[in-house]
Amino acid sequence: DAKTTQPPSMDCAEGRAANLPCNHSTISGNEYVYWYRQIHSQGPQYIIHGLKNNETNEMASLIITEDRKSSTLILPHATLRDTAVYYCIEVGDDKIIFGKGTRLHILP
Amino acid sequence: GAVVSQHPSWVICKSGTSVKIECRSLDFQATTMFWYRQFPKQSLMLMATSNEGSKATYEQGVEKDKFLINHASLTLSTLTVTSAHPEDSSFYICSASSGGQTDTQYFGPGTRLTVL
Repeated sequence: DAKTTQPPSMDCAEGRAANLPCNHSTISGNEYVYWYRQIHSQGPQYIIHGLKNNETNEMASLIITEDRKSSTLILPHATLRDTAVYYCIEVGDDKIIFGKGTRLHILP
Repeated sequence: GAVVSQHPSWVICKSGTSVKIECRSLDFQATTMFWYRQFPKQSLMLMATSNEGSKATYEQGVEKDKFLINHASLTLSTLTVTSAHPEDSSFYICSASSGGQTDTQYFGPGTRLTVL
């Protein structure tokens, strides 16, 4: 199955920007890139999504490359509460596949 | 906004019994609801997608007669695990969308099922 590829884990110092990469080289033209995060034993939380253009909201920014084969989620000022598993997923009319995600550790 | 609840949050049952899990969208109408399963230290696996008033679409390998899904209203979907066995023990999570499959999903808090 086509799925996204993310580093299994990353560390980020508290207060710094956390940049989480994702490869989605098989994404189709009408498929979105969604980012969710999951704190242990809870349901995933929506962060942001995009199709072609970069996006920003109150939680994060999403940078999508021009060829759409990869993207980066940016948490501008990481806090300890941002410690979670971050999932980047491709969403199409007939596809929703969660990869293994990136476990982000925020270091005090 | 966009709050989804699940009930119960955890349940323990005996092997062979059936368990029903409810998923409710509290402040929006959920045209589409999704059910996922997550085993320890693994990612979410989509089990099925349901649209209000129609039959659910199950992912490959998911037994529709074992995992009964009902999406009777725009705010409620239920998942019934029939004749549960210990291997069905898992974290079951629902999500809801006010649009179709490509619209933003809002997830419930999950239900932890333990089958003895």
